[in-house]
Amino acid sequence: DAGVIQSPRHEVTEMGQEVTLRCKPISGHNSLFWYRQTMMRGLELLIYFNNNVPIDDSGMPEDRFSAKMPNASFSTLKIQPSEPRDSAVYFCASRPRQGGYNEQFFGPGTRLTVL
Amino acid sequence: DAKTTQPPSMDCAEGRAANLPCNHSTISGNEYVYWYRQIHSQGPQYIIHGLKNNETNEMASLIITEDRKSSTLILPHATLRDTAVYYCIVRVNTDKLIFGTGTRLQVFP
Repeated sequence: DAGVIQSPRHEVTEMGQEVTLRCKPISGHNSLFWYRQTMMRGLELLIYFNNNVPIDDSGMPEDRFSAKMPNASFSTLKIQPSEPRDSAVYFCASRPRQGGYNEQFFGPGTRLTVL
Repeated sequence: DAKTTQPPSMDCAEGRAANLPCNHSTISGNEYVYWYRQIHSQGPQYIIHGLKNNETNEMASLIITEDRKSSTLILPHATLRDTAVYYCIVRVNTDKLIFGTGTRLQVFP
């Protein structure tokens, strides 16, 4: 299994531009999580989906952020317009249905720099 | 949410056991103790979890006190590749995880 796949691995953009981060969860996993990590705030959960449905988006910082999961094998996190304070590493993780416990599998992350 | 308290940093000699403590005095009866670690520049990695009993897998052992108010993660023979930030998380199963600041473990030769 290839694990959780994220793209791009690095993104540099200018303030005001739209940014789209992509995630492919592990096949067969039914939960997907988006996290953001910065030195100041640590690792924060932004939003998570169960069976492609958003369950908790309380961590989404503001309306500039949106996430979608159109099917079980793909999710996007979009920032529009981007701001310098959005610079961070964004991780996607997925969790299998079976077992019923919280073993999340994380992707390698996307390092976003907003100039 | 049960809060956890971990020392900010620890050192361990290569080949020795690394014992990472975690206090969770407000843990509820249905909350599990999870351990994850994050090696520099990588995504977090699940290590182990437990409810009441001690647990062991190929990576580590988890010792939970009888009153469940604290636990210890044991890496029996630490290697340089175990240098990472270790997170202790207390959550109800299937709920979202909340990562704290963790313990930065430095394994030295």
